[in-house]
Amino acid sequence: AQTVTQSQPEMSVQEAETVTLSCTYDTSESNYYLFWYKQPPSRQMILVIRQEAYKQQNATENRFSVNFQKAAKSFSLKISDSQLGDTAMYFCASSFGNEKLTFGTGTRLTIIP
Amino acid sequence: DARVTQTPRDKVTEMGQEVTMRCQPILGHNTVFWYRQTMMQGLELLAYFRNRAPLDDSGMPKDRFSAEMPDATLATLKIQPSEPRDSAVYFCASGLVGQTQYFGPGTRLTVL
Repeated sequence: AQTVTQSQPEMSVQEAETVTLSCTYDTSESNYYLFWYKQPPSRQMILVIRQEAYKQQNATENRFSVNFQKAAKSFSLKISDSQLGDTAMYFCASSFGNEKLTFGTGTRLTIIP
Repeated sequence: DARVTQTPRDKVTEMGQEVTMRCQPILGHNTVFWYRQTMMQGLELLAYFRNRAPLDDSGMPKDRFSAEMPDATLATLKIQPSEPRDSAVYFCASGLVGQTQYFGPGTRLTVL
């Protein structure tokens, strides 16, 4: 079975600090994509960052970056200089060799002023 | 700024009633997905379409749920009859083959 696991149900961090959210996955596929989506209280699912499994270079988007360890099947999200607007649920997801997204259970992140 | 739109945003109905949710994918996207989000099950795929043809609806209860794409600008998800266990947020997402999926704002359904 192809699974995505987020082992941190909740996290909190002071504003301006750096926080890392963990995600591991299990698949026998060699070609897949990994995503982090953000869901604020408005419930809109917003793409944060995307990583192609065949690329060794870690993806970055402004204050957001990933640490992709393919052999370890790990895909963590680092948020630098955290802001109040980063408060949200964060979901790790993957399309394992197809287009259907498999989601983790989410991490609720709270940024403390 | 292209976006996926969904209507209604919120729907409260009584058990046994028919519910129809609508989605307008981003213009040019040829793949449309329906997801359901609940506290117990998290986010799960119900069905998806490519070029308006259904590719996979294995996540959908067949006896009461149906999904269609009457045209390239409209996808619908119907529940008939609705039950309290159908209460959830239903998301539509669209994308191109093998590319990122972009989500709509969701429809929060409450079945009393």
